[in-house]
Amino acid sequence: SQELEQSPQSLIVQEGKNLTINCTSSKTLYGLYWYKQKYGEGLIFLMMLQKGGEEKSHEKITAKLDEKKQQSSLHITASQPSHAGIYLCGADRSGGGSNYKLTFGKGTLLTVNP
Amino acid sequence: DAGVTQSPTHLIKTRGQQVTLRCSPKSGHDTVSWYQQALGQGPQFIFQYYEEEERQRGNFPDRFSGHQFPNYSSELNVNALLLGDSALYLCASSFLDRRASGANVLTFGAGSRLTVL
Repeated sequence: SQELEQSPQSLIVQEGKNLTINCTSSKTLYGLYWYKQKYGEGLIFLMMLQKGGEEKSHEKITAKLDEKKQQSSLHITASQPSHAGIYLCGADRSGGGSNYKLTFGKGTLLTVNP
Repeated sequence: DAGVTQSPTHLIKTRGQQVTLRCSPKSGHDTVSWYQQALGQGPQFIFQYYEEEERQRGNFPDRFSGHQFPNYSSELNVNALLLGDSALYLCASSFLDRRASGANVLTFGAGSRLTVL
């Protein structure tokens, strides 16, 4: 079974619209990471959340981690074509340190129409 | 400041062949991890190298092996290639934080796209 569930799998929005992508884990997370990937390219780090209830923002993107540290959401305000790509959430269940590795969801493909 | 660089960017192999992929970590990073990303899937952890030793391994067969050199660069080797090995192979580097509660942000390269025919 998939350890991290992302929803929706794909999303098409009109430029200027707001949108939310969700990432759910069946297990408590030590850290939740959001990355963006252009098709076939490497991953670009967006944000990292570690504390229950934590919220971070960068430009028009806001990410939240729930109190139980099992669900995160990524919200984009006033979307632009530059926001298009694949959004991946990655979970750290090891607590960092020498055992650090990320388990990723399948990703959400975002298309922004001008 | 160069980030993570990978080579080659694309390559085509046939079943049964062997392939070597290379990765240079971001300056200041000492840990290299390799991930396999099949089409339409998220990256899957293959293994992690630190101090020239494999520290962790994901659910991949022994056909997948690696190496880390004293300058922290790394290689991923895959033997006896199968069609299912076709994927984007991503290298990620980080600086090892030994604190149990420490956070490590992985910096990814652009990947090597392997096609097995």
